[in-house]
Amino acid sequence: DTAVSQTPKYLVTQMGNDKSIKCEQNLGHDTMYWYKQDSKKFLKIMFSYNNKELIINETVPNRFSPKSPDKAHLNLHINSLELGDSAVYFCASGGGNNEKLFFGSGTQLSVL
Amino acid sequence: AQSVTQPDIHITVSEGASLELRCNYSYGATPYLFWYVQSPGQGLQLLLKYFSGDTLVQGIKGFEAEFKRSQSSFNLRKPSVHWSDAAEYFCAVASTGGFKTIFGAGTRLFVKA
Repeated sequence: DTAVSQTPKYLVTQMGNDKSIKCEQNLGHDTMYWYKQDSKKFLKIMFSYNNKELIINETVPNRFSPKSPDKAHLNLHINSLELGDSAVYFCASGGGNNEKLFFGSGTQLSVL
Repeated sequence: AQSVTQPDIHITVSEGASLELRCNYSYGATPYLFWYVQSPGQGLQLLLKYFSGDTLVQGIKGFEAEFKRSQSSFNLRKPSVHWSDAAEYFCAVASTGGFKTIFGAGTRLFVKA
């Protein structure tokens, strides 16, 4: 069983479209994250939820909206996609208190 | 604010040679320190972590790292590199009791035969 699974693995779309990425973890962790990895491999934290509550919201455009229906799921919705949104988006979960992170395999988003 | 610097963008070593990847951090107190590895097309996997205690920590796949407070460093080492170690390596720092892990820019390791 995959610990942190995110779908889709690849997402190709046109500018201006709205898209969602889904993430689920079966590790029983309280905390989930979204990270963005750019073309130079730099990883930047975007959001974090702890027990469905938003606890980290970095300087991300408000076109990005995370949603956590329960503590095992954290989805990312992106409105009005722009070329600069092209990146790999990673979901991760952890036990909180900065225990180690478990990462999904990433969603490669390409905006044309 | 906490930050992580990995001075080497990429490193090439011969198979069987020793490896050291550098990491410097900036944090007011003793941080939590991590090394993660990312293989192509994959997510990140934890190699090892330091929270407290013995400053030399052992990880998976034969890796170790040494925390040096005086140098604000947490360098990763391996005595003998295998071709399968070729990957991207990330050093990371997290605040004690917090929820935020900050990653360095990564070091790409190439292994030559």
